[in-house]
Amino acid sequence: AQSVTQPDIHITVSEGASLELRCNYSYGATPYLFWYVQSPGQGLQLLLKYFSGDTLVQGIKGFEAEFKRSQSSFNLRKPSVHWSDAAEYFCASGAGSYQLTFGKGTKLSVIP
Amino acid sequence: DTGVSQDPRHKITKRGQNVTFRCDPISEHNRLYWYRQTLGQGPEFLTYFQNEAQLEKSRLLSDRFSAERPKGSFSTLEIQRTEQGDSAMYLCASSGPGHQPYNEQFFGPGTRLTVL
Repeated sequence: AQSVTQPDIHITVSEGASLELRCNYSYGATPYLFWYVQSPGQGLQLLLKYFSGDTLVQGIKGFEAEFKRSQSSFNLRKPSVHWSDAAEYFCASGAGSYQLTFGKGTKLSVIP
Repeated sequence: DTGVSQDPRHKITKRGQNVTFRCDPISEHNRLYWYRQTLGQGPEFLTYFQNEAQLEKSRLLSDRFSAERPKGSFSTLEIQRTEQGDSAMYLCASSGPGHQPYNEQFFGPGTRLTVL
């Protein structure tokens, strides 16, 4: 069975600093990979996705992620964090099926 | 397009009662999904529909849970004889009209269930 691991439960960064959220997946073939963001009281919003092609994926709100097959990773990055980025971030994978497997999430706090 | 909507947003019930939640997907979407999210966890897949057909069910979906999508439009998720362990956020998502599994799933705001 596939699984998704987000090693960091909570990360705190200063506004303007760079950000990297880690995600590792467990699946034999190349899965479909997604990053979602969830703000309090809001639904999950897709930031970006990877399913084939260029391993560096650009998303909304200035986020990007890089798929590294050798490391089974799909880390999310942003060069300069804004206070409005404070939220919970979920990495998810699909493996040819329509159901998504989510990680446990990383809560991001931003210090002004 | 108003996005995926869910009703109610909050539900408090007593153990043993039945509850029903409704999800209205984005109108042109043919796939509809239900997930459950407990505190400190990511969403967990429960079931999904393609049009009115329920194609996949998780083992998390015990026989107390039933989901329907009559006419391939809105969906309902019913929990019978609720237990305290059912307390969670129930999320609905939809995707389509394409047929690729990597199509974006658009999520609703969720229904938060509290079982006393």
